[in-house]
Amino acid sequence: TQLLEQSPQFLSIQEGENLTVYCNSSSVFSSLQWYRQEPGEGPVLLVTVVTGGEVKKLKRLTFQFGDARKDSSLHITAAQPGDTGLYLCAGVRTGGFKTIFGAGTRLFVKA
Amino acid sequence: GAVVSQHPSWVICKSGTSVKIECRSLDFQATTMFWYRQFPKQSLMLMATSNEGSKATYEQGVEKDKFLINHASLTLSTLTVTSAHPEDSSFYICSARTGLEVLNTEAFFGQGTRLTVV
Repeated sequence: TQLLEQSPQFLSIQEGENLTVYCNSSSVFSSLQWYRQEPGEGPVLLVTVVTGGEVKKLKRLTFQFGDARKDSSLHITAAQPGDTGLYLCAGVRTGGFKTIFGAGTRLFVKA
Repeated sequence: GAVVSQHPSWVICKSGTSVKIECRSLDFQATTMFWYRQFPKQSLMLMATSNEGSKATYEQGVEKDKFLINHASLTLSTLTVTSAHPEDSSFYICSARTGLEVLNTEAFFGQGTRLTVV
């Protein structure tokens, strides 16, 4: 069982559709990060959320941290083919040190 | 964000040889770097935590004699895959924390190294 459960694992949608990716845990995290990774490259940091209930926006991407700091979501509005990639949630548990990764969500946006 | 450079980006080696991968923090000092392994279409698996000036901490199931880690300076960590075999073929990625980011938890990643052992 992964400490960070990410869903869905795979998503194929049409350009213009909206989608939400979820990251859940039974543990409390001091912060959660969302990364995007393209094939053959390292993950690129999109955002960090640290406060329970926090909402951050990055253009068409909206990130939310749960009130209890155990879960997070990534919502993409009007997806574009350029959004295609592997999205990873990651975080450090409260009192911990290592960055823990979710299994990832592979998104494919068709033109 | 902070820049982490990994070299080489890809390498092909013969079975039985050793391969060294470098991870450098270009614009900051990193007392701690992390090494991950990623299999195709899967997430990142933490292999070890590299601490400057001390021994690395390996995750359960990772052979420390197989994957040698050296963190000789505050800007350089190396991972050496010794006596590589085809099953060691994978995508290896390093990351580092600056110590200045939010709650010291954001990690910045190198571009990864694709290792193929033939």
